[in-house]
Amino acid sequence: AQSVTQLDSQVPVFEEAPVELRCNYSSSVSVYLFWYVQYPNQGLQLLLKYLSGSTLVKGINGFEAEFNKSQTSFHLRKPSVHISDTAEYFCAVSDKNSGGSNYKLTFGKGTLLTVNP
Amino acid sequence: GAGVSQTPSNKVTEKGKYVELRCDPISGHTALYWYRQSLGQGPEFLIYFQGTGAADDSGLPNDRFFAVRPEGSVSTLKIQRTERGDSAVYLCASGTGLAGAEQFFGPGTRLTVL
Repeated sequence: AQSVTQLDSQVPVFEEAPVELRCNYSSSVSVYLFWYVQYPNQGLQLLLKYLSGSTLVKGINGFEAEFNKSQTSFHLRKPSVHISDTAEYFCAVSDKNSGGSNYKLTFGKGTLLTVNP
Repeated sequence: GAGVSQTPSNKVTEKGKYVELRCDPISGHTALYWYRQSLGQGPEFLIYFQGTGAADDSGLPNDRFFAVRPEGSVSTLKIQRTERGDSAVYLCASGTGLAGAEQFFGPGTRLTVL
């Protein structure tokens, strides 16, 4: 079984400031890692994912995340945020070695990023 | 191309009633997932279909919940004898089923049980 902890439920920042949204996971098996974003009144959209290889992954809209196996973390970062980045961000994992093709996601509770002018 | 669609977008029902929630996945996607998102929580897995069969229904909370995907495309989540605790946003996602592949989410159905 897996679990995902997003340590901050809300993160307010000013426009053009850097931001880091924290994610830690617990799992007895190897996992794939994902960040999804949910803009107001919209569905979940994939920001980026880590499958293997380089631990720094880049996603859409200037976001990046770094996988740290020893700390079981996958923190999301952006060097300069915009008003339009205001949204809820979800970290998720799936079992790398699932039986068959079932890659169901286990999500954290989400972090609401609010970018203020 | 068209994304994942879900109908209805909103459903208000009374305690004890039966409801059906529909999901139209992206054409050609064999993997289909249902999740439930309660207020202030992340989505929680309910059931997974590979093709027509429910390959994993371990997330269904009890036997009032049932889902089908008879032709390997559209899926319907059925809830019998609804309870106030069933109120949530029900999300559907589809994908290729390949390792690490993206799941594409629909906009969800907001179910309110009065």
